[in-house]
Amino acid sequence: LAKTTQPISMDSYEGQEVNITCSHNNIATNDYITWYQQFPSQGPRFIIQGYKTKVTNEVASLFIPADRKSSTLSLPRVSLSDTAVYYCLVGGHGSSNTGKLIFGQGTTLQVKP
Amino acid sequence: KAGVTQTPRYLIKTRGQQVTLSCSPISGHRSVSWYQQTPGQGLQFLFEYFSETQRNKGNFPGRFSGRQFSNSRSEMNVSTLELGDSALYLCASSLGQATPGGYTFGSGTRLTVV
Repeated sequence: LAKTTQPISMDSYEGQEVNITCSHNNIATNDYITWYQQFPSQGPRFIIQGYKTKVTNEVASLFIPADRKSSTLSLPRVSLSDTAVYYCLVGGHGSSNTGKLIFGQGTTLQVKP
Repeated sequence: KAGVTQTPRYLIKTRGQQVTLSCSPISGHRSVSWYQQTPGQGLQFLFEYFSETQRNKGNFPGRFSGRQFSNSRSEMNVSTLELGDSALYLCASSLGQATPGGYTFGSGTRLTVV
């Protein structure tokens, strides 16, 4: 499974757009790029997943360049409730790693009023 | 639809005791994975069960074990508890051949060993 690198922490203010970049230089051909959000004392919650180019849903956008060695999670107009830890993961359907997600340190996002 | 349910939500145990945690997956999900989360080590994979069989296992000692029942509900057991086992234990369910985005986590069981 490819290793990911992302900033340990980020600060933002309410109403701003936040971009969190993740590096995954050793991403495999069949790997997806997935982001989870976690609040204290709760389980991680799926935010968005993509394979290439851009993916957008009701809460975020995910930008993936052509070489797929990095990705950027974009959160539009954050609010205080977006304060959480954000994890970037890469992986595929690989039968040798069923059920196993590799979580790195994540990025702690602090949104200030 | 109902999410992943973990019970109990909080637990306090004494060193040397054993503990059993329960996880009920989303209806129709046949895979259940377990994770341990601590401030120092982050989220670490324990094991995964599918159709009552352990398919994958992380690097934890044999004191950590699990099982899955025919209704896909899963339990994990930790024997001879140590202070270092204090953690948030999370389970996640999926259909079985999921991409990383196909997992739904429960709220976890907070285990404190004293």
